[in-house]
Amino acid sequence: SQQGEEDPQALSIQEGENATMNCSYKTSINNLQWYRQNSGRGLVHLILIRSNEREKHSGRLRVTLDTSKKSSSLLITASRAADTASYFCATGDSSYKLIFGSGTRLLVRP
Amino acid sequence: SAVISQKPSRDICQRGTSLTIQCQVDSQVTMMFWYRQQPGQSLTLIATANQGSEATYESGFVIDKFPISRPNLTFSTLTVSNMSPEDSSIYLCSVVVEDTEAFFGQGTRLTVV
Repeated sequence: SQQGEEDPQALSIQEGENATMNCSYKTSINNLQWYRQNSGRGLVHLILIRSNEREKHSGRLRVTLDTSKKSSSLLITASRAADTASYFCATGDSSYKLIFGSGTRLLVRP
Repeated sequence: SAVISQKPSRDICQRGTSLTIQCQVDSQVTMMFWYRQQPGQSLTLIATANQGSEATYESGFVIDKFPISRPNLTFSTLTVSNMSPEDSSIYLCSVVVEDTEAFFGQGTRLTVV
């Protein structure tokens, strides 16, 4: 079953702009992970944030986590056409199983 | 991280037949999982592949339909049995490393005709 929703479902921006995707979840978590998927292929791991962390950066990516609101956001700065993909959040607990959000389809126009 | 090789990358199969998907990891991992992604959907966990014992299936998935083997800490197979068009999906194996990060194979795109 889906853990929660991602918002927006689809996002279209111009190259160079920032893209923000939001993820909400329902249960207690140990961590939250963000993934990118290009054209229905495998998932590329982007970043992991633990439940006791509030913000994490990796290159042009910034992830925030608000456990009180059960929500997370992924910010991609200075987007590029190559960032066009689907982005998924997934929550993990002590079982190491992941429950995925519904995904955001990002289109970066050159 | 871990390098995961999944075979085949895609296949077109006749209904009523079975397909076995292989997942090979470049290092020993304790936790290995199989996920399904139906067309236009997100990922859903099928089962946990347990080394040396029967897999643990999630609600809605049964061993007769999705038998899983895990003979050692680097290899697993998922079989999709008696296939129907509803089984057309991407199937992905995943491993957890360093007790936290989960990495995925490139997936097997299955089309059942």
